[in-house]
Amino acid sequence: AQKITQTQPGMFVQEKEAVTLDCTYDTSDPSYGLFWYKQPSSGEMIFLIYQGSYDQQNATEGRYSLNFQKARKSANLVISASQLGDSAMYFCAMREGFYGNNRLAFGKGNQVVVIP
Amino acid sequence: DTEVTQTPKHLVMGMTNKKSLKCEQHMGHRAMYWYKQKAKKPPELMFVYSYEKLSINESVPSRFSPECPNSSLLNLHLHALQPEDSALYLCASSQTAGTKPQHFGDGTRLSIL
Repeated sequence: AQKITQTQPGMFVQEKEAVTLDCTYDTSDPSYGLFWYKQPSSGEMIFLIYQGSYDQQNATEGRYSLNFQKARKSANLVISASQLGDSAMYFCAMREGFYGNNRLAFGKGNQVVVIP
Repeated sequence: DTEVTQTPKHLVMGMTNKKSLKCEQHMGHRAMYWYKQKAKKPPELMFVYSYEKLSINESVPSRFSPECPNSSLLNLHLHALQPEDSALYLCASSQTAGTKPQHFGDGTRLSIL
């Protein structure tokens, strides 16, 4: 079964607008971490933001914030004030268990194109 | 600039060649990873080294041979590859605690002729 689901088709976003990328996950482990990565066309995977399953507050990192709804098993990424450099593929990923498991389960990704 | 350095950035090789991909990090991370990524797809885990020992091999064909000479270096030796092995190969490193992210290199774009 798929552990991470990202179902939105490619998205076009107006510059300076906010965009929300959906991510739902499936796990029975109470301890897990959720990660968002950005991958521009050049190929590098850039870590954006992390949310732990026991974190009480939604994570924020600059223009990135995570809308974490634990009961719904969703961890949506919000990018505020989009910039042209935000055009990229965005991957949601999950690691189950905090120790002893180095596997990251990736979603299929969301393609975002920011237009001027 | 990424803190995980991969060389070469591009590699074209024939099916009979032997080549190696290299990865280096100086963040003190004790877990290192190799991923394979096809266009428009998520990365697929190939190997994980933890404290310089191979801890995960995701049933990767033996034409791919990983090596971890020390805690900062990770190699992927390639031999007799197939055209379907053409892909972006990403190296990553992390602290072993699950709350810490994996940090990726820029990748090596590999083309098999």
